Amino acid sequence: AQSVSQHNHHVILSEAASLELGCNYSYGGTVNLFWYVQYPGQHLQLLLKYFSGDPLVKGIKGFEAEFIKSKFSFNLRKPSVQWSDTAEYFCAVNAPSSGGYNKLIFGAGTRLAVHP
Amino acid sequence: DAGVTQSPTHLIKTRGQQVTLRCSPKSGHDTVSWYQQALGQGPQFIFQYYEEEERQRGNFPDRFSGHQFPNYSSELNVNALLLGDSALYLCASSYRTGVTDTQYFGPGTRLTVL
Repeated sequence: AQSVSQHNHHVILSEAASLELGCNYSYGGTVNLFWYVQYPGQHLQLLLKYFSGDPLVKGIKGFEAEFIKSKFSFNLRKPSVQWSDTAEYFCAVNAPSSGGYNKLIFGAGTRLAVHP
Repeated sequence: DAGVTQSPTHLIKTRGQQVTLRCSPKSGHDTVSWYQQALGQGPQFIFQYYEEEERQRGNFPDRFSGHQFPNYSSELNVNALLLGDSALYLCASSYRTGVTDTQYFGPGTRLTVL
């Protein structure tokens, strides 16, 4: 069965610090990969996605993620975080079924707190 | 352009009751998926509807059922509610390409079962 692991459940950073959130998945076939963010009081929003091509993908708000197939990883990075990045971050994998229907498998999430 | 909308925002029910949650997809989307997000966890896939049929189902009992209407909106029904059904229920919509679907989420319905 497919699964997604997010290693850090809680991360606390100061503003301007660099961020890297780990995500590993278990699935041997072709996958699509996503990072979603949930700001306090708001709904899940798409940060970035990877389908194919360049393994380094850029998303909104200065976030990027790198797909490393050999490590089954899709880590999220940001060079310099801001207080407004305080949120919960979810990694998700989409492995299309034989019928071409897609479902997302989510990790447990990483709660990021950025202090001024 | 309206995003995914869900109703109601909050709901309180007692054990054994039945509940219906509603979802309107983003304009141009034809596929609706439902997820359950328990406190402190990531969303878990319940099922997905396309062309008014259930196309995929996660590991949820038959008490969870759904429907998709010709206008692509969808309902999630839960019968014989248990305390453990208390969660945030998320609806996500997408346009089915079969390969590069991207799901966009609504704000969710917070269900509390007493």
